[in-house]
Amino acid sequence: DQQVKQNSPSLSVQEGRISILNCDYTNSMFDYFLWYKKYPAEGPTFLISISSIKDKNEDGRFTVFLNKSAKHLSLHIVPSQPGDSAVYFCAARPPIQGAQKLVFGQGTRLTINP
Amino acid sequence: DSGVTQTPKHLITATGQRVTLRCSPRSGDLSVYWYQQSLDQGLQFLIQYYNGEERAKGNILERFSAQQFPDLHSELNLSSLELGDSALYFCASSVAPAGGLGAETQYFGPGTRLLVL
Repeated sequence: DQQVKQNSPSLSVQEGRISILNCDYTNSMFDYFLWYKKYPAEGPTFLISISSIKDKNEDGRFTVFLNKSAKHLSLHIVPSQPGDSAVYFCAARPPIQGAQKLVFGQGTRLTINP
Repeated sequence: DSGVTQTPKHLITATGQRVTLRCSPRSGDLSVYWYQQSLDQGLQFLIQYYNGEERAKGNILERFSAQQFPDLHSELNLSSLELGDSALYFCASSVAPAGGLGAETQYFGPGTRLLVL
């Protein structure tokens, strides 16, 4: 039962353009959504998060949008830079008292072409 | 460098064997998490500890066990290994067990790559 899905295994974008990574979820009880970025041979690194009570959160070049009715979130990177080439994971947090158990998608490999 | 260390980096073993993966959290972090990433899969949550106490459990197999010691390092024990246990195992840590008004940021180690032959 895949509660968080990233349907695009890979995405290729020209440097300077917008990268849009998508994520769908099935559990309406998730209260937080997060994006992590992963380079080869390293662990994932936290990028940005959004609460389920918001529909947008922005941090520099990164913006996350949440559409609760569609159970969909997206990460926008503008402008895309070569250093953004990595695997991006979206994750969701079910509300559990005193614990944090993240549910991850399968990841999308983003390649930024010069 | 996240400040989370994992040893060993690579491990090759045979089916039926037992291995121990070790994790040292970032200085000051009291919570430790273990995740498994199999080929082309997302990270699967295994278990969370906070200050030595188990806080949350995922789909962790009965053959797997973990603990967090008084010095806050954690070990993940995998026994009766099968071919399908070959994966990347990540440890993460955070200051608190769960966010208050926000999600608690988890800092990941570089992972241990386990290959079962």
